[in-house]
Parts: sequence; C-alpha cells; structure tokens
Amino acid sequence: NAGVTQTPKFQVLKTGQSMTLQCAQDMNHEYMSWYRQDPGMGLRLIHYSVGAGITDQGEVPNGYNVSRSTTEDFPLRLLSAAPSQTSVYFCASSPGQGRSYTFGSGTRLTVV
Amino acid sequence: EDKVVQSPLSLVVHEGDTVTLNCSYEVTNFRSLLWYKQEKKAPTFLFMLTSSGIEKKSGRLSSILDKKELFSILNITATQTGDSAIYLCAVRAGGTSYGKLTFGQGTILTVHP
Repeated sequence: NAGVTQTPKFQVLKTGQSMTLQCAQDMNHEYMSWYRQDPGMGLRLIHYSVGAGITDQGEVPNGYNVSRSTTEDFPLRLLSAAPSQTSVYFCASSPGQGRSYTFGSGTRLTVV
Repeated sequence: EDKVVQSPLSLVVHEGDTVTLNCSYEVTNFRSLLWYKQEKKAPTFLFMLTSSGIEKKSGRLSSILDKKELFSILNITATQTGDSAIYLCAVRAGGTSYGKLTFGQGTILTVHP
C-alpha cells in the first residue's frame, strides 16, 4: 500500500515547455486534488475531482489542465510553463465526505 | 469565496512553552475543519473538527472549534523541538463544493531548545 505517489520529485522546465505531473493512489479514494505551495501562501487549490470523469476548478486553475479517467490517477498538465508556476505541487486524496485528505510527498518544479 | 485566515503567521518559543494557534474562516455551507502539520515534505493529518465545543486531543496537542464565532484553536503544551513545523488549518465545504478543501496561509512554529 503505497498511499499517494507523485512523480517526478524534482523538475526544471524552460518557459513555454509543457509537462505532466503524475499522481496515483492505491487506496481506492474517490476524491483527489492538486495544490501548489508558495512561501507565505499556504496550500492553494488548483483543481479537484470527486470521482472518475468529474473534475472542477479550484482557486488558481489558470495554466493547468486535469483529467480523471480512472479512480487511481489524477495527472496535472502544464500547457505552457511560466516562471510564475515555479512552486511545490502536492497531490492529495480522500475516501470522501467527512474524511481527511492524505498527501503525496510533492513535486518541486522550477521554470526558468 | 471561501476564506481561511491563520494567526500568527510565525511564532518562536522555547521548549516547555505552551502555544495557541488560531484559525478563523468564512465558508459557505461549512462541513468540517482540519488541522495538518507539515515538516519537511507532505502535510500530515492532526485533527478533524465538526462540532462546536468538543475538544479533540492527542498527547500534548488539542483543538477545539467554535462554529458560532467561526474559529478554531490548536494548543500545544510543553513544546519540544520536534514540534517545529508549519501548522495548516483547512476547511471543507458542502453543497456543490463538497470536494474542496481550502487552506489558510499556515503558522510557522519554531521551538528552540
């Protein structure tokens, strides 16, 4: 039981490049979310999903896409990376309402 | 828009001190409030509060929720250097936003020996 697995752990991109941050969970959790963490800003919600085929925007969705074709996976796509997207990204999952979220170990992304 | 505000933003204490961290919120259709501790990497879950006035306790940590005044506190007694971390408060909404968890900015706690 690996929990929430994020890959890669570190990534450097050039401005304008695209990439996908991977998130997988093996706990059969219905809810999954992506957050970014910047100094002094706490965790800000990018996109979230309450089940396969269902996604919705969070607080800071611009520049990011998501899809949820399976319960296990929730990839986050950066369409055209910008320096403002330099951050630490966390994926989290939860069994559902009334339950806490479990977090992955994060991806540190630098856009130069 | 849902809003969570934590205070203080940072706190420096010495081992043995007692600290109180604050979290206030404005959330449409409130469901629960959660506290997390973040050391080097991923936040780890501490407490989930849904009812006013009922204290949750785990060792030296305790937390309580006031749904009338829209805030929660996290108390840490007899602090240790291992308590140094970022403490995050989050609220979960219901209704059409039932999958959302909104976080505050966090409180950075530093405990000196």
